[in-house]
Amino acid sequence: DIQMTQSPSSLSASVGDRVTITCRASQGISNYLAWYQKKPGKVPELLIYAASTLQSGVPSRFSGSGSGTDFTLTISSLQPEDVATYYCQKYNSASFTFGPGTKVDIK
Amino acid sequence: HLVQSGAEVKKPGASVRVSCKASGYTFTSYGISWVRQAPGQGLEWMGWISGYTRNTHYAQNFQGRVTMTTDTSTNTAYMELRSLRSDDTAVYYCARDPRMLDDFLTVPTPAFDIWGQGTMVIVSS
Repeated sequence: DIQMTQSPSSLSASVGDRVTITCRASQGISNYLAWYQKKPGKVPELLIYAASTLQSGVPSRFSGSGSGTDFTLTISSLQPEDVATYYCQKYNSASFTFGPGTKVDIK
Repeated sequence: HLVQSGAEVKKPGASVRVSCKASGYTFTSYGISWVRQAPGQGLEWMGWISGYTRNTHYAQNFQGRVTMTTDTSTNTAYMELRSLRSDDTAVYYCARDPRMLDDFLTVPTPAFDIWGQGTMVIVSS
């Protein structure tokens, strides 16, 4: 089975900072990669699919890139409402595995 | 959208069945995946069922212990988990899955774009 890793596991940044989260697959997954935002007590929200396509309604400060095994999620200007845990998910085969998550908070 | 059944409290060894009723889209044109999140833990994908063929694919961690079914007359998906343990305590979510027929995609369409509100399952003696 393909394993997903994320780094860092947590980060703290100031409002307005550019934040980058990395996701790595143990084998190539082309661009079958999604990113979700999960806030405590809330339902996960799809941010990015196909590695770089912004889901409808998601603010443009979120962007994704990568292909194969290495992917990034970037928040161009961190806002207080972006405090959450972010998960990548691979969906190139039958098992839609999630990464372990990256917790983002405000410094 | 997706509306799930209410919270459950179960004893170790028991079974739980969670329902997920879909509306606002053609149920048979998509699948349903189930995802859980234990307290303080990450998201864990449990498995998928096709809304059209009722084909399933379960995550290895749950094979033999989970059964996913659908009722197309009511546009409802069900997830039954058996032989419950304390570490099954979690919030269980259903999500709309783009896989209608097969357990794999040929193009990377949007993944889990609609989610149920979650069902808390507590396993405790």
